[in-house]
Amino acid sequence: GESVGLHLPTLSVQEGDNSIINCAYSNSASDYFIWYKQESGKGPQFIIDIRSNMDKRQGQRVTVLLNKTVKHLSLQIAATQPGDSAVYFCAETTNAGKSTFGDGTTLTVKP
Amino acid sequence: NAGVTQTPKFQVLKTGQSMTLQCAQDMNHEYMSWYRQDPGMGLRLIHYSVGAGITDQGEVPNGYNVSRSTTEDFPLRLLSAAPSQTSVYFCASRQKLVPGELFFGEGSRLTVL
Repeated sequence: GESVGLHLPTLSVQEGDNSIINCAYSNSASDYFIWYKQESGKGPQFIIDIRSNMDKRQGQRVTVLLNKTVKHLSLQIAATQPGDSAVYFCAETTNAGKSTFGDGTTLTVKP
Repeated sequence: NAGVTQTPKFQVLKTGQSMTLQCAQDMNHEYMSWYRQDPGMGLRLIHYSVGAGITDQGEVPNGYNVSRSTTEDFPLRLLSAAPSQTSVYFCASRQKLVPGELFFGEGSRLTVL
């Protein structure tokens, strides 16, 4: 069977390493997905998005992968920096416009 | 533009009291929503609105009311506060017709004693 990355509530990486954060979504009707970053005491902020008709999208140092077969998203951060330390959430949006969030992953970057 | 503005930032209530959390956005966004975030957990959708006069329930609507009389404002009312409603509340908005990012307010921290 296909291997799917597990969602981990916490992830610790060394500065300069690559990070992979996983998320499982629940609604097969969702057609739009976003990764958000939340720093302590603040609201979530947009990182990168992907439509359901795509399986990969790249930004600056970040890549999102979408596997609709197993309803799985991943966020890859290249050359992780201390400023990347935060909680990361995936969110799914349906055609009706309703946006719901997955469980977050706390990323800690060790210098 | 101020973006999404929430008031108050902090509030302490006694059990049974009522209050309204205010949310206003100046981006002419049609979609507005309220989330609650409990310690160590993700954001759970309470209520949302896709336009003035239209509201719908999210995942955890019980104990909360909303209304959307204008495009700009989306207040969240706690009818009779309970300790279980102690949380951080976030208001978020976005354009409805074009899928896009949610813009969040800074949050309102509510404690119910």
